[in-house]
Amino acid sequence: EVQLVESGGNLVQPGGSLRLSCAASGFTFSNYEMNWVRQAPGKGLEWVSYISSSGSTIYYADSVKGRFTISRDNAKNSLYLQMKSLRAEDTAVYYCAREVAAARFDPWGQGILVTVSS
Amino acid sequence: QSVLTQPPSASGTPGQRVTISCSGSSFNIGSNTVNWYQQLPGTAPKLLIYSNDQRPSGVPDRFSGSKSGTSASLAISGLQSEDEADYYCATWDDSLNGYVFGTGTKVTV
Repeated sequence: EVQLVESGGNLVQPGGSLRLSCAASGFTFSNYEMNWVRQAPGKGLEWVSYISSSGSTIYYADSVKGRFTISRDNAKNSLYLQMKSLRAEDTAVYYCAREVAAARFDPWGQGILVTVSS
Repeated sequence: QSVLTQPPSASGTPGQRVTISCSGSSFNIGSNTVNWYQQLPGTAPKLLIYSNDQRPSGVPDRFSGSKSGTSASLAISGLQSEDEADYYCATWDDSLNGYVFGTGTKVTV
């Protein structure tokens, strides 16, 4: 069974840092592009970042550029999101998602909550 | 603020047909394929339609998608109570160099 499991979510103060992880299983992780997508409480979906299968190509949403860093370890079947200079507006459930084709995300992880508050 | 616009809500009675629109521009829908996601309450989004009009295995044929120019649509025919969910369109945006989601539509049965 293809599965994605996020971890690392927590309550963090504004200006703080946090690292999210996404553990993949049930498929050849190194063959797939991956993404992070977030959803603020009661709001819609917002794409955050993309990384190619080799890690050589990376894209970010303007809202997180310069503060977030996406990375992957294909040997560990894991995807990461390093978040720095966190703001209240970064409060959201963060999902990792496998990319089968452009904007075709399947499946998604269960999501992990990040709360930025003092 | 999303560059893909959807109506905030849509509703129908069981058995009816509901259509959700997704309006974009030449930079996104006009030049890339559209995918649709269904998000049931309290759960992660699920791929519903890909490449404008294709259904993944397991998705009922009550769900259909289409695209014309800079707009796309999702139709749900034979509406059922379990279709109550939020629906999002998504595609790549050539000007933003990133993926974009629609504003989302809450369907009530």
